[in-house]
Amino acid sequence: RKEVEQDPGPFNVPEGATVAFNCTYSNSASQSFFWYRQDCRKEPKLLMSVYSSGNEDGRFTAQLNRASQYISLLIRDSKLSDSATYLCVVGNYGGSQGNLIFGKGTKLSVKP
Amino acid sequence: EPEVTQTPSHQVTQMGQEVILRCVPISNHLYFYWYRQILGQKVEFLVSFYNNEISEKSEIFDDQFSVERPDGSNFTLKIRSTKLEDSAMYFCASSVNHYEQYFGPGTRLTVT
Repeated sequence: RKEVEQDPGPFNVPEGATVAFNCTYSNSASQSFFWYRQDCRKEPKLLMSVYSSGNEDGRFTAQLNRASQYISLLIRDSKLSDSATYLCVVGNYGGSQGNLIFGKGTKLSVKP
Repeated sequence: EPEVTQTPSHQVTQMGQEVILRCVPISNHLYFYWYRQILGQKVEFLVSFYNNEISEKSEIFDDQFSVERPDGSNFTLKIRSTKLEDSAMYFCASSVNHYEQYFGPGTRLTVT
């Protein structure tokens, strides 16, 4: 069973569209949740942390449902510069299980 | 804005050779990490380091790997005897509070 699962995409959307990414995680004891973005052959860059109450940062909104072990990211009014791979990341601290557990990512391509 | 830096950006080595990858974490951060990403695959946790000792490590981080903070600013990853399967992008990350982690640009290691 994969620890963090994401739809790999690609999602091809026009500029201005709203796009939603979903993610599920397997470890109910996970303690922290994030969305990172990764451009081709670059490092992951922290986009936002995800809180149980949901949080918004400009055009980006993240939601967490601990009962369903589900995380989402909504991007409104998408820009060409949003084209990247979006990584769902879960923090599990303690033991050899790992520290940040990454999903494989969902690729987004925003077209003019 | 402070950044994590890594050197070299690309390292080519022969199988069986030792390599040292270097990182300078963000200056007020206390937690340091190494991750790797094999081409086309997800980012994987290797090791975390706090207070001059390893705090967590994954199954990937076997006896061939070691980490060190030799001088209070650098953080290094040593691979003693490289294998072909060690070819990957290696990312250093740091955190002020073991929560949000910020990644460096990575070192691409190619083992021939």
